[in-house]
Amino acid sequence: DAKTTQPTSMDCAEGRAANLPCNHSTISGNEYVYWYRQIHSQGPQYIIHGLKNNETNEMASLIITEDRKSSTLILPHATLRDTAVYYCIVRAETSGSRLTFGEGTQLTVNP
Amino acid sequence: ETGVTQTPRHLVMGMTNKKSLKCEQHLGHNAMYWYKQSAKKPLELMFVYNFKEQTENNSVPSRFSPECPNSSHLFLHLHTLQPEDSALYLCASSLASWGTIQETQYFGPGTRLLVL
Repeated sequence: DAKTTQPTSMDCAEGRAANLPCNHSTISGNEYVYWYRQIHSQGPQYIIHGLKNNETNEMASLIITEDRKSSTLILPHATLRDTAVYYCIVRAETSGSRLTFGEGTQLTVNP
Repeated sequence: ETGVTQTPRHLVMGMTNKKSLKCEQHLGHNAMYWYKQSAKKPLELMFVYNFKEQTENNSVPSRFSPECPNSSHLFLHLHTLQPEDSALYLCASSLASWGTIQETQYFGPGTRLLVL
């Protein structure tokens, strides 16, 4: 699976948009970009995933660049409960079940 | 609430004890997973089950013994653990685990294990 690079930590003001970047410059054509988050001492929570097109759901939006070498997860109106570690994961078809979690980005939403 | 429950939520055990962790999913999924998350480390996949059959063992020591009696239940039997086995043990489930790329894993809240 392609390696991902994320900033170690980010801060965001409550009510503002949180934009979390992820670089995956070695991504190949059949690899999807997944985002999960983990609130302290809880299980990871699926957020969103995409292949080429931008995606939006009730939690977030995912913007993937045209060359697919990077993506941005957008939380449009961050709340204190969005404080968590956010993981960007790239999965290939052949990886089957494997979700390889890296270090992620610690997002802190401040009042 | 993701539809995946784990019990107990917290467990303290001695190195000579035998205990079991339980996971149950109410999502109609057919694949279940055990992960380990040690302090300051990324999640590590331990075991994968598809339709009750173990399909992946990620070089896990034999003191960890999984059991999957049906697609809804997954156990992790623990015996003669070491203090370094103290960690958060997470269960997850998904609809399929045979390279169906869009299948999403749903995690339980985890069991916080402390081995003394």
